[in-house]
Amino acid sequence: DAGITQSPRHKVTETGTPVTLRCHQTENHRYMYWYRQDPGHGLRLIHYSYGVKDTDKGEVSDGYSVSRSKTEDFLLTLESATSSQTSVYFCAISGLTDTQYFGPGTRLTVL
Amino acid sequence: AQTVTQSQPEMSVQEAETVTLSCTYDTSENNYYLFWYKQPPSRQMILVIRQEAYKQQNATENRFSVNFQKAAKSFSLKISDSQLGDTAMYFCAFMKPTQGGSEKLVFGKGTKLTVNP
Repeated sequence: DAGITQSPRHKVTETGTPVTLRCHQTENHRYMYWYRQDPGHGLRLIHYSYGVKDTDKGEVSDGYSVSRSKTEDFLLTLESATSSQTSVYFCAISGLTDTQYFGPGTRLTVL
Repeated sequence: AQTVTQSQPEMSVQEAETVTLSCTYDTSENNYYLFWYKQPPSRQMILVIRQEAYKQQNATENRFSVNFQKAAKSFSLKISDSQLGDTAMYFCAFMKPTQGGSEKLVFGKGTKLTVNP
């Protein structure tokens, strides 16, 4: 299994509060991704990173920001959480083979 | 934009039997990758199999094999000798590789497979 961890694994928060999710990898892979999974939508890309301090938007990036100050860590921040951001969030990494490997996911509930 | 369609929201199969999950995709690209991922109740996304579009030979991984029809833009997954542990959501995904970088995965909405004892 690829060395990917996500923290926290579960979080309940209130509307309007900031939330940061962390993805940590031990594989030294260049590419990291954040997806969200919602019923009826499969997984959709939020943001991705192609190197330290290099990030770009995905298809559902509104309301989210990311940062990558080290190769191993990719942070996803909800500046002011809304109920529509209740979801399961997955981090993924990929290296030379282009195959993406996923972390265990974080279930976020915004009340 | 690429799209991936899984037309079977739910399927069931008896243990030890064979089942095929369907996936079609739409793209104008000639070079791309296709994947099947499995998501059991634990929620972990697990890579099942990968296919490069330039390869005519269908990929296989133990009991899992694909039927890749490039002209028809079809990528079905066959599971042989189904086991109870195969019960999961299965997602088909498309990726267009880019020069010098990786690209996002485009997922279908998934097929829920139940293996019955």
